[in-house]
Amino acid sequence: AQKITQTQPGMFVQEKEAVTLDCTYDTSDPSYGLFWYKQPSSGEMIFLIYQGSYDQQNATEGRYSLNFQKARKSANLVISASQLGDSAMYFCAITVGNQFYFGTGTSLTVIP
Amino acid sequence: GAVVSQHPSRVICKSGTSVKIECRSLDFQATTMFWYRQFPKQSLMLMATSNEGSKATYEQGVEKDKFLINHASLTLSTLTVTSAHPEDSSFYICSASRDRGLETQYFGPGTRLLVL
Repeated sequence: AQKITQTQPGMFVQEKEAVTLDCTYDTSDPSYGLFWYKQPSSGEMIFLIYQGSYDQQNATEGRYSLNFQKARKSANLVISASQLGDSAMYFCAITVGNQFYFGTGTSLTVIP
Repeated sequence: GAVVSQHPSRVICKSGTSVKIECRSLDFQATTMFWYRQFPKQSLMLMATSNEGSKATYEQGVEKDKFLINHASLTLSTLTVTSAHPEDSSFYICSASRDRGLETQYFGPGTRLLVL
């Protein structure tokens, strides 16, 4: 069964604007972790942010914040003040047990 | 952040030959390492999970005899693509984590394999 769903194959945002990348997940395990990774054209997977299922507060890392809505099983990534270098593929992932499940990714293009 | 290296970054080989890809955790001991495969414009597909000192656990549909994984130490895992064929051409990425639980995975830069 698919664990992670990213419904936006491609997104565009104006430079300096904020953008939200959607991610929903499905698991019956009460203990899990949610991640966002960035993959530029070079191929490297860059860790952005982590949210644990028991964390009470939304995770933030600089310009990245994770909008964690547990009841809705969503973990959207918000990028504030977009920069040209933010153009890349973004993958949402969930870890349950010792398994990592990746979403299909969202291609973000920042427009100057 | 933790650093994971991969070598080589690119490799071109002839059909029928074997290719070895190394994955190293440079500044931490990786209890668990993962190997992924990624086709163009697609997500990462987990191939196998390897724990130091034990046999790798392969995902369904991944041939164990074709994709040999060795995790000989806490800082090194290798993936050997045996008797490579053109359909094995892909982007292979490894990742490492410190623990077997809900630990962040740190990814290597990937290896682009082209089999002629």
